[in-house]
Amino acid sequence: DAGVTQSPTHLIKTRGQHVTLRCSPISGHKSVSWYQQVLGQGPQFIFQYYEKEERGRGNFPDRFSARQFPNYSSELNVNALLLGDSALYLCASSLGGGRHNEQFFGPGTRLTVL
Amino acid sequence: AQSVTQPDIHITVSEGASLELRCNYSYGATPYLFWYVQSPGQGLQLLLKYFSGDTLVQGIKGFEAEFKRSQSSFNLRKPSVHWSDAAEYFCAVMDSSYKLIFGSGTRLLVRP
Repeated sequence: DAGVTQSPTHLIKTRGQHVTLRCSPISGHKSVSWYQQVLGQGPQFIFQYYEKEERGRGNFPDRFSARQFPNYSSELNVNALLLGDSALYLCASSLGGGRHNEQFFGPGTRLTVL
Repeated sequence: AQSVTQPDIHITVSEGASLELRCNYSYGATPYLFWYVQSPGQGLQLLLKYFSGDTLVQGIKGFEAEFKRSQSSFNLRKPSVHWSDAAEYFCAVMDSSYKLIFGSGTRLLVRP
């Protein structure tokens, strides 16, 4: 069974550019969450989507946006990149949006901003 | 505000020795608690979780964790560490809006 997949694996951008990261959840999962993991820290919550609706948003600026498509895949967009946006971006999927639903993580996209 | 503290940044143990990784949480209601492991360049893998019931939780790879409400702790243990256990370990609590709040992680090094 395919797990959560993310693309691309690695990405190098320069300050001020825009980036789009993609996530495909496990088949049958309707909820996707995005996390940012800066080197040496734990992941920090960015967004959660359930049934294509935004269910939660972390403490990130409006440069960060996301959406979920009818097939439950998701995109995370970051505009006007800053050096501090360099991080591992993790996507997690779960069956539903409730507390009992285990979140399964993908391998992440490593973003480097120069 | 909810938070998770992992007081040990690094821990080094010898192969075959026992392991305990500490986790303290701050959460007003009944906490939903998790331990994840992350190998270099990998995503996060769930080791175990606590929702309710028995306070001693068994997980994968021989790990267990004990929930102690009085101490606001959820420490991870393993009786005998293998070299393949070397990785970064994260404790997390799920808040009321279903997002995971992670600690800063503990890096486990295993001496041969």
